[in-house]
Amino acid sequence: GQNIDQPTEMTATEGAIVQINCTYQTSGFNGLFWYQQHAGEAPTFLSYNVLDGLEEKGRFSSFLSRSKGYSYLLLKELQMKDSASYLCAVPGAGSYQLTFGKGTKLSVIP
Amino acid sequence: EPEVTQTPSHQVTQMGQEVILRCVPISNHLYFYWYRQILGQKVEFLVSFYNNEISEKSEIFDDQFSVERPDGSNFTLKIRSTKLEDSAMYFCASSVTREGNTEAFFGQGTRLTVV
Repeated sequence: GQNIDQPTEMTATEGAIVQINCTYQTSGFNGLFWYQQHAGEAPTFLSYNVLDGLEEKGRFSSFLSRSKGYSYLLLKELQMKDSASYLCAVPGAGSYQLTFGKGTKLSVIP
Repeated sequence: EPEVTQTPSHQVTQMGQEVILRCVPISNHLYFYWYRQILGQKVEFLVSFYNNEISEKSEIFDDQFSVERPDGSNFTLKIRSTKLEDSAMYFCASSVTREGNTEAFFGQGTRLTVV
């Protein structure tokens, strides 16, 4: 089976940096996704990691350590529009069934 | 930019009634999915569909649920006899392939309220 843990909520200040952690247990690893979900809207793709290390994409970066079953999403230069839930998700081995974590609700304050 | 579209955006139905949720996946995508999200809970996989048949389904996807691709563009989710606990946001998604690194594109969702 698959299990994903993320903090439920985080608060950070506009302009700051925030790190959202995700730990996972899977029966077979096939990469890890991060999605952003604004309230009442669809999840939108942010990143995919399958190899260890940091992948940078503008203000957002994602890190993976397969040996530790750990990933984080790093958001720099926070903007008010970054207030959203951030979902960590893993596909099943040999399938595309995504198992999502409960999401981390990020609130960006002035 | 191509997008997955879902209709209706909101649906209110009485318990025991049948509902059909509609989705138009991105045109060159071959894999289609339904997910649901009960208010305040995580996004949960329901079913995946490829080549006109179900390829995977979760425990949630019981006999009350069915999916269909009635024509070349639409992909539908039918709930035969709705229950109160079926109230949720239902997301359709599609992807080009089912390779692990393939991004799934989600529609804006249909909010189903069963009363």
